[in-house]
Amino acid sequence: QSALTQPASVSGSPGQSITISCTGTSSDVGDYNYVSWYQQHPGKAPKLIIYDVAKRPSGVSNRFSGSKSGNTASLTISGLQAEDEADYYCSSYTTSSRIFGGGTKLTVL
Amino acid sequence: QVQLQESGPGLVKPSQTLSLTCTVSGGSISSGNYYWSWIRQPAGKGLEWIGRIYTTGSTNYNPSLKSRVAISVDTSKTQFSLKVSSVTAADTAVYYCARDVAYGDYIDYWGQGTLVTVSS
Repeated sequence: QSALTQPASVSGSPGQSITISCTGTSSDVGDYNYVSWYQQHPGKAPKLIIYDVAKRPSGVSNRFSGSKSGNTASLTISGLQAEDEADYYCSSYTTSSRIFGGGTKLTVL
Repeated sequence: QVQLQESGPGLVKPSQTLSLTCTVSGGSISSGNYYWSWIRQPAGKGLEWIGRIYTTGSTNYNPSLKSRVAISVDTSKTQFSLKVSSVTAADTAVYYCARDVAYGDYIDYWGQGTLVTVSS
């Protein structure tokens, strides 16, 4: 199984919005509404920020939102803040397995 | 609050078996609502899913690692374990244990991670 495809890096200025894409296939992202997104700061464990494509766990800012169209899922961060600078990973269920994206480094300019 | 803690040797010799244990506290490892997973991350690289185990002992593994990986669970000790055999330098990584929500398929709790280096 190949990793889901994410852009290596994205950047934005404070207050702006950015979107990170996550492209899979009809066997994973396209076939299940089980896409999740994780935020990872350097030296820390990943943190769940979106699950089931568009749901936010309790305590996660509503500046984070998720969506999906066909084989591509997206994470949008609005009102960028300095603390959002981190690596972001998507993940999808695929038959009896899980697959991660390669990760996207978000730089807040 | 659920907490997971990885433990095990930080250095393993090539061709040997890597063994790690994850101790779960603050929640039941026997709950049917969760899988218990292992994920790894080589330095400077992305996350790689290794596999997971259900409370019944049923397992799922990454096809690329399946021949070398075994995950087991000891509900009496609220622990689950990972073994990776015939390790090489490519297995050097931070290893995370995690709780994987069965109905929704997402990871809601992660351990802090433990670095395992494969070197002679």
